[in-house]
Amino acid sequence: SQQGEEDPQALSIQEGENATMNCSYKTSINNLQWYRQNSGRGLVHLILIRSNEREKHSGRLRVTLDTSKKSSSLLITASRAADTASYFCATDARRSGGSNYKLTFGKGTLLTVNP
Amino acid sequence: GAGVSQSPSNKVTEKGKDVELRCDPISGHTALYWYRQSLGQGLEFLIYFQGNSAPDKSGLPSDRFSAERTGGSVSTLTIQRTQQEDSAVYLCASSLDRGGEKLFFGSGTQLSVL
Repeated sequence: SQQGEEDPQALSIQEGENATMNCSYKTSINNLQWYRQNSGRGLVHLILIRSNEREKHSGRLRVTLDTSKKSSSLLITASRAADTASYFCATDARRSGGSNYKLTFGKGTLLTVNP
Repeated sequence: GAGVSQSPSNKVTEKGKDVELRCDPISGHTALYWYRQSLGQGLEFLIYFQGNSAPDKSGLPSDRFSAERTGGSVSTLTIQRTQQEDSAVYLCASSLDRGGEKLFFGSGTQLSVL
């Protein structure tokens, strides 16, 4: 079952604008990650935010986490055509009876940045 | 190797045939995942290996699907008696330590069942 759900499903903006994508999840987490996927193949890790963090930055990326609302947002500032891709959030879920974890992904947001 | 390697990159098979998909994780990574992604959809978790622990098989969609990881390294995902609904991109990922940390993905295997 899907733990994270991204919103919106698709987003189209002009180059230079900011893009905001949201992720909601259902159960308690240890961390939340954002990934990017081009052309339907391998995903690339963008940023990880831990449950005790509220905000994190990496270059033009800004991620926030609100554990009380079980939600996260990914902001891409000054977008470029090359940012066109699908963006996924992923959350870890503790395995029952053990200390191992597995990552589950949402369905993603398709971002299109028009030149 | 430098990254996660998957083979073949593309596989076309006939309905009813068996297929084997291979994943070679980054050396030293103890956690290995298999995911499936249908066209335009999110990632569907299939199976997770962590070190010498029993794998988490909770995502395998049917008993036609199985996976093994030999020597804590290379993994093979086997689909028996393939069906058209098995057509998808199969993605493998590994991480350095326990699961839940940053994943490194392979480029996937595009499986087409005719």
